[in-house]
Amino acid sequence: EDQVTQSPEALRLQEGESSSLNCSYTVSGLRGLFWYRQDPGKGPEFLFTLYSAGEEKEKERLKATLTKKESFLHITAPKPEDSATYLCAVGSGANSKLTFGKGITLSVRP
Amino acid sequence: NAGVTQTPKFQVLKTGQSMTLQCAQDMNHNSMYWYRQDPGMGLRLIYYSASEGTTDKGEVPNGYNVSRLNKREFSLRLESAAPSQTSVYFCASSEWAARPSSYEQYFGPGTRLTVT
Repeated sequence: EDQVTQSPEALRLQEGESSSLNCSYTVSGLRGLFWYRQDPGKGPEFLFTLYSAGEEKEKERLKATLTKKESFLHITAPKPEDSATYLCAVGSGANSKLTFGKGITLSVRP
Repeated sequence: NAGVTQTPKFQVLKTGQSMTLQCAQDMNHNSMYWYRQDPGMGLRLIYYSASEGTTDKGEVPNGYNVSRLNKREFSLRLESAAPSQTSVYFCASSEWAARPSSYEQYFGPGTRLTVT
């Protein structure tokens, strides 16, 4: 059974204070690791897909990296508008299902 | 493109009532999913449809039924609602069958359901 653990559960940062969000996973045959952003009252919004260890992807102040056991979402010089819940999910095997972590709630103070 | 749309946005039911949540996507995706999201539990898969004409159970299927009406539409039915089904329900779609190496899911805005 695939498992995804995200840490910490919540993170409070000052504007401009860089940090990283962690996603640890156990799967049998990783097909993809996904990061989503979710704003209050909205559906999750797709950010990145990572397929193999060593892969990195960037979007504005966000950078996602992947190893064989975990993924990090690095936030550089965050702004208050980066405040949201960030979800990590993994896909494995021959079906289209994803297993999600419980999310990390990020608050960025001005 | 509207992406994934869900109706209704909000619903209040009494215990034992039934209702159907509607979902439609205009991205020509093959696969569609229903999730529920509860505080502290994350997103949990209720049912999914890998392609038109097929449906399969997810992690928490009890108390729900689904219908893949056509390639665009996937509905979720609660036959006899219970307070434990109070949750936020999300529909999603992906292109899995066509490109299994790239199958990010795209989500709708959600339905907030309260069962009293």
